[in-house]
Amino acid sequence: KQEVTQIPAALSVPEGENLVLNCSFTDSAIYNLQWFRQDPGKGLTSLLLIQSSQREQTSGRLNASLDKSSGRSTLYIAASQPGDSATYLCAVSPYDYKLSFGAGTTVTVRA
Amino acid sequence: NAGVTQTPKFQVLKTGQSMTLQCAQDMNHNSMYWYRQDPGMGLRLIYYSASEGTTDKGEVPNGYNVSRLNKREFSLRLESAAPSQTSVYFCASRVTDNSPLHFGNGTRLTVT
Repeated sequence: KQEVTQIPAALSVPEGENLVLNCSFTDSAIYNLQWFRQDPGKGLTSLLLIQSSQREQTSGRLNASLDKSSGRSTLYIAASQPGDSATYLCAVSPYDYKLSFGAGTTVTVRA
Repeated sequence: NAGVTQTPKFQVLKTGQSMTLQCAQDMNHNSMYWYRQDPGMGLRLIYYSASEGTTDKGEVPNGYNVSRLNKREFSLRLESAAPSQTSVYFCASRVTDNSPLHFGNGTRLTVT
């Protein structure tokens, strides 16, 4: 069974610092990996989707890398802002419909 | 563009009562999902529908039924609610298994 781990569970940084969020998974036979953001009391918003054949994906201040062989993905958020405070989840998808989600990293950006 | 819409947003039930959670998407997506999110358990798949008229059980289907009557709508029914079903329920959809998953804002259900 695919296990997805996100460490640390919580992170607090001053505004302007770069954020580095980690996601590890146990089975490298994946179709894609997604990063999501969840604000309190809201649903998940898809940030980036990386196909298994890709090494990284970028959107604005966000960059996600994928190393399938080592079972790792990293989400980088450049020049963090208080509005980046949220819970960030990763999810891996095998070659079917099922996704396995990590428990998330809760980020607080201090002004 | 509304995306994925879930109703109701909040619900309180007594043990044994039944209810249906509604979900509709306006993005012409093929696949639809129902998840529950619990503290310490993360997101767990209840049911999945690849297309109109087809459904598959997920990780935690017991106590739930689903219906995909058309491409837009995917409903989740609790026939006899139990306190263990107190949770936040999310509906999600996507075009294919290799495209981003879009979520609704959730239904917060309390069973007393």
